[in-house]
Amino acid sequence: DIHLTQSPSFLSASVGDRVTITCRASQGISTYLAWYQQKPGKAPNLLIFDASTLQSGVPSRFSGSGSGTDFTLTISSLQPEDFATFYCHQLNTYPWTFGQGTKVEIK
Amino acid sequence: QISLKESGPTMVKPTQTLTLTCTVSGFSLSTRGVSVGWFRQPPGKAPEWLALIYWDDDKRYSTSLKNRLSITKDTSKNTVVLTLINTDPVDTATYYCGHSAGVLVPFDPWGQGTLVSVSS
Repeated sequence: DIHLTQSPSFLSASVGDRVTITCRASQGISTYLAWYQQKPGKAPNLLIFDASTLQSGVPSRFSGSGSGTDFTLTISSLQPEDFATFYCHQLNTYPWTFGQGTKVEIK
Repeated sequence: QISLKESGPTMVKPTQTLTLTCTVSGFSLSTRGVSVGWFRQPPGKAPEWLALIYWDDDKRYSTSLKNRLSITKDTSKNTVVLTLINTDPVDTATYYCGHSAGVLVPFDPWGQGTLVSVSS
């Protein structure tokens, strides 16, 4: 199975901060990587697919990059509604897998 | 508008079989490229992909659970059913189903989820 490692697992940030979350795959996955945001008690919500394509309706302050084994999710200016847990997810190889998550909290 | 809703028991006893139904609307399970997947998420942990079924009835399963899982669909009823046999307390989780519009396309949206506890 392909293992995804996110870093950091937890970060504390302020509104307006630029935030970067990384996801490293245990083997190459081309660009078959998605990012989800999850708020407490809710289902995950797709933000980015194909590593860098913004899902329709997602604010442009979210962006993704990377290919192969190293990927990044960036929030250019953190907003109050962005505080949540973020997960990377690979679809390159079955079984599909998720990272362990990055919880973004208010400083 | 695409939507999915999970239903099933809220609690099962260890060793029992868990059967969950995902009822979909806003799309057809027979549309080329479409798939429905199942995921679960234990409290405080990351989601785990369990299984998916494609429009052509092709099925894929989690490596660790494939001997205990079964996924089927009924296109006429707009439902996808996940069966997990021989349950254990570690199977306690919120179970979600999700829609994918194409091969290698991530699931979006997901249903609201249903919490299942496995306990004696």
